[in-house]
Amino acid sequence: EAGVVQSPRYKIIEKKQPVAFWCNPISGHNTLYWYLQNLGQGPELLIRYENEEAVDDSQLPKDRFSAERLKGVDSTLKIQPAELGDSAVYLCASSPGGGNEQFFGPGTRLTVL
Amino acid sequence: SQQGEEDPQALSIQEGENATMNCSYKTSINNLQWYRQNSGRGLVHLILIRSNEREKHSGRLRVTLDTSKKSSSLLITASRAADTASYFCATDASAGKSTFGDGTTLTVKP
Repeated sequence: EAGVVQSPRYKIIEKKQPVAFWCNPISGHNTLYWYLQNLGQGPELLIRYENEEAVDDSQLPKDRFSAERLKGVDSTLKIQPAELGDSAVYLCASSPGGGNEQFFGPGTRLTVL
Repeated sequence: SQQGEEDPQALSIQEGENATMNCSYKTSINNLQWYRQNSGRGLVHLILIRSNEREKHSGRLRVTLDTSKKSSSLLITASRAADTASYFCATDASAGKSTFGDGTTLTVKP
């Protein structure tokens, strides 16, 4: 069984540029999460989807961040424009349902110069 | 701020020794999960313990949960160099919303 796939693995951009991350969850997993992880810290939830519906986006900085999960499968997280403080690892995870174990992708390491 | 807080922040032991790390949280939970993260990788789920359970085992892992003290512990017995990683607890206070602590960094010296 394929795991959670994320791309790109690494991204370096200049500040004020846009950037997008892509996630393909495990087949059949209805719940999809985007997390931000800073060095030495635990993941912080940005947004959680149940199928194609965003059920928790309270921590998503909506002035510059956006996400979508069309057809309830793949998801894209976008930042526009990026700021220096956005440098972090962006993790995607999926789960067969809320309250169950989450399966994480390898993450995208973003560096904003 | 994080719901769960791991203690200690860092732990260094010799191969073969046991490693114990703790997690404290603030609000009532449905379940608590432990994850491992190797350097530069995504998190890997280790074990889930529900609020009505007190202890769970999986291989060399033993997890306890004390809801009265709002705390959990993860014990790794007979540690190996390959156990070197960061360990995070995640509390689920409402279905599907997990809140992670900042982790314990475990170093197992061969």
